[in-house]
Amino acid sequence: LAKTTQPISMDSYEGQEVNITCSHNNIATNDYITWYQQFPSQGPRFIIQGYKTKVTNEVASLFIPADRKSSTLSLPRVSLSDTAVYYCLVGDLESAGNNRKLIWGLGTSLAVNP
Amino acid sequence: DAGVIQSPRHEVTEMGQEVTLRCKPISGHDYLFWYRQTMMRGLELLIYFNNNVPIDDSGMPEDRFSAKMPNASFSTLKIQPSEPRDSAVYFCASTPLWGSSYNEQFFGPGTRLTVL
Repeated sequence: LAKTTQPISMDSYEGQEVNITCSHNNIATNDYITWYQQFPSQGPRFIIQGYKTKVTNEVASLFIPADRKSSTLSLPRVSLSDTAVYYCLVGDLESAGNNRKLIWGLGTSLAVNP
Repeated sequence: DAGVIQSPRHEVTEMGQEVTLRCKPISGHDYLFWYRQTMMRGLELLIYFNNNVPIDDSGMPEDRFSAKMPNASFSTLKIQPSEPRDSAVYFCASTPLWGSSYNEQFFGPGTRLTVL
């Protein structure tokens, strides 16, 4: 099974760029990497997904090196409202059959200070 | 669309009682997931359904837990009997696609369960 490892917490200031790295050494060939954001008392919310190289959308960028053993979520110019927990999720496709295992890490608690 | 709907939002019960959590997925979504979230273990996938059929229940902690999806718009997660260690936030999520390159899950607001 794929396993993800992230820093437990990070601190930043408004206007800075924040990079959160996730390690997933056992990522399988068909796995995608997905990041979610979670605010207190809410369910996680999808941010971005990628397979390799770089993906960018209106809120974040995702950098994935060639070996895909890690990924970095980049949040440009964070604001106080970006204070949340960020989860890295790697889909784990078993070689036998179509069962898919989803292993969520414990998340990174990001605190953005004024 | 109202999004994924879960009820109740909060549940406080006593050890040994039966607890039933309910979920209404987003219309048209073929997949439904049940998660449990605790501080110690983070988000754990308990079970997921495809077209109302349970596909993978390997995350269900023990026989006290059961889940059903009688139709495309309703699912339940039942704990009987409940124990204090079951206290957690339970999330339901749905997605329209799986096995593709885009598998965004849409989460409900969760049910906070406290077992005394």
